[in-house]
Amino acid sequence: DTGVSQNPRHKITKRGQNVTFRCDPISEHNRLYWYRQTLGQGPEFLTYFQNEAQLEKSRLLSDRFSAERPKGSFSTLEIQRTEQGDSAMYLCASSFSRGTTYEQYFGPGTRLTVT
Amino acid sequence: AQSVTQPDIHITVSEGASLELRCNYSYGATPYLFWYVQSPGQGLQLLLKYFSGDTLVQGIKGFEAEFKRSQSSFNLRKPSVHWSDAAEYFCAVGAPFGEGAQKLVFGQGTRLTINP
Repeated sequence: DTGVSQNPRHKITKRGQNVTFRCDPISEHNRLYWYRQTLGQGPEFLTYFQNEAQLEKSRLLSDRFSAERPKGSFSTLEIQRTEQGDSAMYLCASSFSRGTTYEQYFGPGTRLTVT
Repeated sequence: AQSVTQPDIHITVSEGASLELRCNYSYGATPYLFWYVQSPGQGLQLLLKYFSGDTLVQGIKGFEAEFKRSQSSFNLRKPSVHWSDAAEYFCAVGAPFGEGAQKLVFGQGTRLTINP
């Protein structure tokens, strides 16, 4: 079990550029979540996938954000036309869907800095 | 809507002293409650969880938490802290959106500093 992995770990970009982050969940987990964490705050939910289907999206997820999970394995989160307010840590988590297990396992995150 | 309040932004304790981190939640039904720990620059690690049953739950690293429905609280405790416990601690409540899935609603976090 290698845990949830995220790449890159750090990304610095200029305002207006597009960025893409990748999340690889624990291999047998079919649920995948994205959260955003700004400095001094707890993580906030962005979106959720069950297998390849995106089933929930937060109002925080503006039109500039898009997430995919092709084939129900890894997921990507793309931010278009980045703004300074997008600077944050982007966390990915995964979980089982069997039984009543609700534990979400988090990756190390991708820290985005928009200059 | 679900919400979580962690009243203490920063707590400092001496190594070997006992610890209690407070968490209050707002949720209409029986909540799913979690405590996570985050070391600097890292993701979140699950310490413990409460779904139902015994209101005193044991977790990893010697932590425990007690669910008190009457007080809407889920406070985290440790009898004797170690320098390695210095980190950010987050309380979260699970907000279900069907088919057994749920998002986590987090508190603001409590930063724990350990004095040698």
